[in-house]
Amino acid sequence: EAQVTQNPRYLITVTGKKLTVTCSQNMNHEYMSWYRQDPGLGLRQIYYSMNVEVTDKGDVPEGYKVSRKEKRNFPLILESPSPNQTSLYFCASSPGRGAQPTNEKLFFGSGTQLSVL
Amino acid sequence: GQQLNQSPQSMFIQEGEDVSMNCTSSSIFNTWLWYKQDPGEGPVLLIALYKAGELTSNGRLTAQFGITRKDSFLNISASIPSDVGIYFCSSNFNKFYFGSGTKLNVKP
Repeated sequence: EAQVTQNPRYLITVTGKKLTVTCSQNMNHEYMSWYRQDPGLGLRQIYYSMNVEVTDKGDVPEGYKVSRKEKRNFPLILESPSPNQTSLYFCASSPGRGAQPTNEKLFFGSGTQLSVL
Repeated sequence: GQQLNQSPQSMFIQEGEDVSMNCTSSSIFNTWLWYKQDPGEGPVLLIALYKAGELTSNGRLTAQFGITRKDSFLNISASIPSDVGIYFCSSNFNKFYFGSGTKLNVKP
């Protein structure tokens, strides 16, 4: 089944303890991205990747890191989490680059609810 | 930053009622997409629009791409309880943009 898989679904941690949220897609998509969802603010992009070894900042990259060593995986790393990073996180992928209309549909994972105490 | 203005922010309706929500932008876009997010899940694509003036249906859902290319609306007819969720408009031009979402509540 074609899908984007995020893990874990729920995570509670403490300030300063490094964590990684994994994301994997099995559709051979070039484009992958991370979003955070907060009430009233919709989906805000954290980082995105056009292809392997190519990553770029989104609208709210501070406090986050990503890597794209393989096409299928795009982990989100919080080196020193803080309470303001408590949020619902989504990984998404798309067949092609955002500028190509025929490939603009995003496929989302089920989300990771992160709480930083 | 975010460039899509979506309204209303939330709606409380009775089962069977029709629903309308819209999205506007100060920029021209070549595509408009509508996603639905069920509680506890990620957004899923409902309808994609590619041409100004295009009107597309998907079951009880109808969406239109405004002729100015700066807006789009989504209508849901005869709402049912499973329509509950958050609806997002989206477009892209070199990057993906999202509206802030319309949270729909349906009372049985």
